[in-house]
Amino acid sequence: RKEVEQDPGPFNVPEGATVAFNCTYSNSASQSFFWYRQDCRKEPKLLMSVYSSGNEDGRFTAQLNRASQYISLLIRDSKLSDSATYLCVVKAGGNYGQNFVFGPGTRLSVLP
Amino acid sequence: DTGVSQDPRHKITKRGQNVTFRCDPISEHNRLYWYRQTLGQGPEFLTYFQNEAQLEKSRLLSDRFSAERPKGSFSTLEIQRTEQGDSAMYLCASSLRQNTGELFFGEGSRLTVL
Repeated sequence: RKEVEQDPGPFNVPEGATVAFNCTYSNSASQSFFWYRQDCRKEPKLLMSVYSSGNEDGRFTAQLNRASQYISLLIRDSKLSDSATYLCVVKAGGNYGQNFVFGPGTRLSVLP
Repeated sequence: DTGVSQDPRHKITKRGQNVTFRCDPISEHNRLYWYRQTLGQGPEFLTYFQNEAQLEKSRLLSDRFSAERPKGSFSTLEIQRTEQGDSAMYLCASSLRQNTGELFFGEGSRLTVL
């Protein structure tokens, strides 16, 4: 089993749609969680951190369920500019090292 | 530009040759990471440094891969006796020690092994 798994995608949605991405992780010692965005042929960039209580940043909402080892990202009122690959990222801490483990990504295309 | 820079941006080599990539992190960042990314996949962790100390290297893909950060500033990733399967984008990222999640990536070095 991969350490971080995501919806395979791609997701093709019309402008204005709401889209949700799912992610699961296998290491129960994971302590920090993030969503990164990667545009085509560009480097990944941090979109948002994910907190236990859930958090929102404008049209983006992230949720974490530690018991189920599950992370989600919801995008409301999607824009053409949201088209990108969304990467779920998990970081273990303490004795498990400090590396950030990336999922395979889910590609989103927002269509006019 | 004060971001992470990588050199070369593209490298084409023949199988069996050695290649070296360089990464210059953001100057105040003391953590530096190397990742490999192939088409359709997320970045795959290779190794990371805190200052000049290589704290995690068990995920380097084979003993043909090695990385250094001799003075705690720039880093190099070397691949010896390249194979066609090494063709990929090699990404470098840096972060502040106190930072919990934001990795700043360079634009990557694309390797093509013929």
